[in-house]
Amino acid sequence: DQQVKQNSPSLSVQEGRISILNCDYTNSMFDYFLWYKKYPAEGPTFLISISSIKDKNEDGRFTVFLNKSAKHLSLHIVPSQPGDSAVYFCAASGGFSGGSNYKLTFGKGTLLTVNP
Amino acid sequence: DAEITQSPRHKITETGRQVTLACHQTWNHNNMFWYRQDLGHGLRLIHYSYGVQDTNKGEVSDGYSVSRSNTEDLPLTLESAASSQTSVYFCASSESRRGNSPLHFGNGTRLTVT
Repeated sequence: DQQVKQNSPSLSVQEGRISILNCDYTNSMFDYFLWYKKYPAEGPTFLISISSIKDKNEDGRFTVFLNKSAKHLSLHIVPSQPGDSAVYFCAASGGFSGGSNYKLTFGKGTLLTVNP
Repeated sequence: DAEITQSPRHKITETGRQVTLACHQTWNHNNMFWYRQDLGHGLRLIHYSYGVQDTNKGEVSDGYSVSRSNTEDLPLTLESAASSQTSVYFCASSESRRGNSPLHFGNGTRLTVT
């Protein structure tokens, strides 16, 4: 059962335009959501996160929106730049609990291509 | 600067061989993780550790083991390599067990089992 779904394997946008990457989840117990960016031959790097008690978090050109009722989140990149071309992973966590396991559940990723 | 280093970057081995992938971090993080990345599956957790002498199984732990004898290192061992274990392996660490604590990843080891 895939708990975190990124249904678009790829997305292509023009430089300067908005990129919107989507992620759906099924587990209502998730309370943190994170986005990672991955370039070829490198490890993923953390981009931005959001807590389930918020509906928006912004960091420069990157904004993540969370719709808990729809179990949906999205990452907006404005304006998109060629250097943003990478695979983007959505990940979710159930949060910290003293004796419980902390681990991230990742989606399959979306390849973003920003064309000059 | 603190970092997390994986070695080797590429490894080719034969079916049935034992293989060990190294992971070394200088963040001084207690929490360390091993993931594998496969086309169509994203990143899947193999094993993780919350500190020295602590190890836990992830969702795809069969055929893998880890040991944690110090804070810096979490080697991943494939007991008897199988072709299904051909993958890219990522090691990661985190400062906290809070759900929003970012993972710091190494650059991966590409393992091919022939």
